[in-house]
Amino acid sequence: DAKTTQPPSMDCAEGRAANLPCNHSTISGNEYVYWYRQIHSQGPQYIIHGLKNNETNEMASLIITEDRKSSTLILPHATLRDTAVYYCIVRVPHGSSNTGKLIFGQGTTLQVKP
Amino acid sequence: NAGVTQTPKFQVLKTGQSMTLQCAQDMNHNSMYWYRQDPGMGLRLIYYSASEGTTDKGEVPNGYNVSRLNKREFSLRLESAAPSQTSVYFCASSDYNEQFFGPGTRLTVL
Repeated sequence: DAKTTQPPSMDCAEGRAANLPCNHSTISGNEYVYWYRQIHSQGPQYIIHGLKNNETNEMASLIITEDRKSSTLILPHATLRDTAVYYCIVRVPHGSSNTGKLIFGQGTTLQVKP
Repeated sequence: NAGVTQTPKFQVLKTGQSMTLQCAQDMNHNSMYWYRQDPGMGLRLIYYSASEGTTDKGEVPNGYNVSRLNKREFSLRLESAAPSQTSVYFCASSDYNEQFFGPGTRLTVL
């Protein structure tokens, strides 16, 4: 699985968009970009994933560059409850030939401030 | 649905003692995982089970054993606990897109 690079920490004002970058320059053609977050030592929570098209769900948007070497997770209107560690992970999708295991880096600690 | 449950929530052991951490999921997932998380670090995979009846080592398997008891349950055993195994342990199960994590077991080995 490809390695990812994320800034160790970021701040964001409450109500503003939080843009969390991730670099994955060695990503392979069949690897997806996944984002998870971990709030206050709880178990990690899935946010979103994508291959090459931009994706949006009720939690966030994922923007992947055309060369797929980097991506940005966007929380459109950050709240205090979004304060967490955000992990960017790249891997092949879980299927008959893949076990779905995740390799976590150290992530980005996002602090949302009032 | 309870999702992924773990017992116990907290445990204190003395060096050399043994214990088993229990994990169960009610989502009918084939794959289950055990991770550990040390302070200030990301999660590291200890063991995983791709399907009932199979188990494989992850990044940090030394000092641990696992049992996939049935499709629902995946246990982690420490045969002779060491202070280096002080950590938070997370169990997870997975469908094709998403891993679902339990609340964690906070283990201290004195």
